[in-house]
Amino acid sequence: GAGVSQTPSNKVTEKGKYVELRCDPISGHTALYWYRQSLGQGPEFLIYFQGTGAADDSGLPNDRFFAVRPEGSVSTLKIQRTERGDSAVYLCASTPGLAGTNTGELFFGEGSRLTVL
Amino acid sequence: LAKTTQPISMDSYEGQEVNITCSHNNIATNDYITWYQQFPSQGPRFIIQGYKTKVTNEVASLFIPADRKSSTLSLPRVSLSDTAVYYCLVGDGGYSSASKIIFGSGTRLSIRP
Repeated sequence: GAGVSQTPSNKVTEKGKYVELRCDPISGHTALYWYRQSLGQGPEFLIYFQGTGAADDSGLPNDRFFAVRPEGSVSTLKIQRTERGDSAVYLCASTPGLAGTNTGELFFGEGSRLTVL
Repeated sequence: LAKTTQPISMDSYEGQEVNITCSHNNIATNDYITWYQQFPSQGPRFIIQGYKTKVTNEVASLFIPADRKSSTLSLPRVSLSDTAVYYCLVGDGGYSSASKIIFGSGTRLSIRP
């Protein structure tokens, strides 16, 4: 697609439920990033992929959070046993990713707003 | 990763030039300086990137002194539509393979008529 696409744009769920958020990066971008943004705060790094593998998952807050990118394109962020504190906008970004093609510019999607009641 | 410090908020008026300064005392030799802009309900958008001296594009200018321990984003003749949050980032984001990219809290710029 022309840009990074995230679905759903809004998700309301109940405490304890399981949630999946999807990110479709720009075609050909090998690197994909997930961030979480709370109101009034900057984007908080969660994880980034280079191809199919998670290159750095040091930002995942705990083992309830997991992300996959099985074919090196679409990624899914999975949150188990959601808590009210998980409520935030989850942002996905992609970048060409490879040395020689990378410019350091992240291309962001519009985000998925998660509300845990 | 080098830490950045920038003002929490700034106010200005339409037609004025706005300069937002970012401190990055621990910048590494191969680090680039990148600025993003974020409007409400949108993801951040790349504005400009530089390594040293001055970079200018159609949106902004970026001034980087010789010691590279700070940088200044300059927005000429701002309008109401420039009201946004501006993030200064420092990292190995230029022309090597992808790496971890950290955002700070940003500067909330408000433009008044």
